[in-house]
Amino acid sequence: IAGITQAPTSQILAAGRRMTLRCTQDMRHNAMYWYRQDLGLGLRLIHYSNTAGTTGKGEVPDGYSVSRANTDDFPLTLASAVPSQTSVYFCASSDGTSGNEQFFGPGTRLTVL
Amino acid sequence: GQNIDQPTEMTATEGAIVQINCTYQTSGFNGLFWYQQHAGEAPTFLSYNVLDGLEEKGRFSSFLSRSKGYSYLLLKELQMKDSASYLCAVRDGDYKLSFGAGTTVTVRA
Repeated sequence: IAGITQAPTSQILAAGRRMTLRCTQDMRHNAMYWYRQDLGLGLRLIHYSNTAGTTGKGEVPDGYSVSRANTDDFPLTLASAVPSQTSVYFCASSDGTSGNEQFFGPGTRLTVL
Repeated sequence: GQNIDQPTEMTATEGAIVQINCTYQTSGFNGLFWYQQHAGEAPTFLSYNVLDGLEEKGRFSSFLSRSKGYSYLLLKELQMKDSASYLCAVRDGDYKLSFGAGTTVTVRA
């Protein structure tokens, strides 16, 4: 693995189903983030984690949950998907110190019907 | 809340210069980032400003004025591959990024 990966690449999901989007980084970054990107709205932060074992809510956390059991993995779970959660989801990581940019994964395109 | 504004679209000719403006009002400030995002791809880092002034990196330069809540990204000697969305992002007092909606730049031959 080089950098940050996400799975699946895309998914079509029935409303009401549970779904976990996976994110893994091999850069030993402390901080990880989940964003959703919608046309005309830009990237919006869903949840973040400054270090393993801690998580925090971003701008649009409702309907989503995260966990950070270790440094490398940061899964995002939709407990009961709704059509408004149709979006492109990006995971990102950074080493958390001032001046360091966030590195983004390739994204997951999720469609909820 | 955070408020970050940038133009929706810009068009320019190959070889020309384009300036993308970004104005912001945020709770706390710990730096401003510019990212490039090609269609269907992830954003990639272009530049970072935390102090006032101009940062130059090859064909791309970024300027910041903290007192005015203003930044711009300057793209020189435009190439067709520069057609992309350019995202302005501000890191707030809690070190979280807030993004503008992005500026789509189209480079014409």
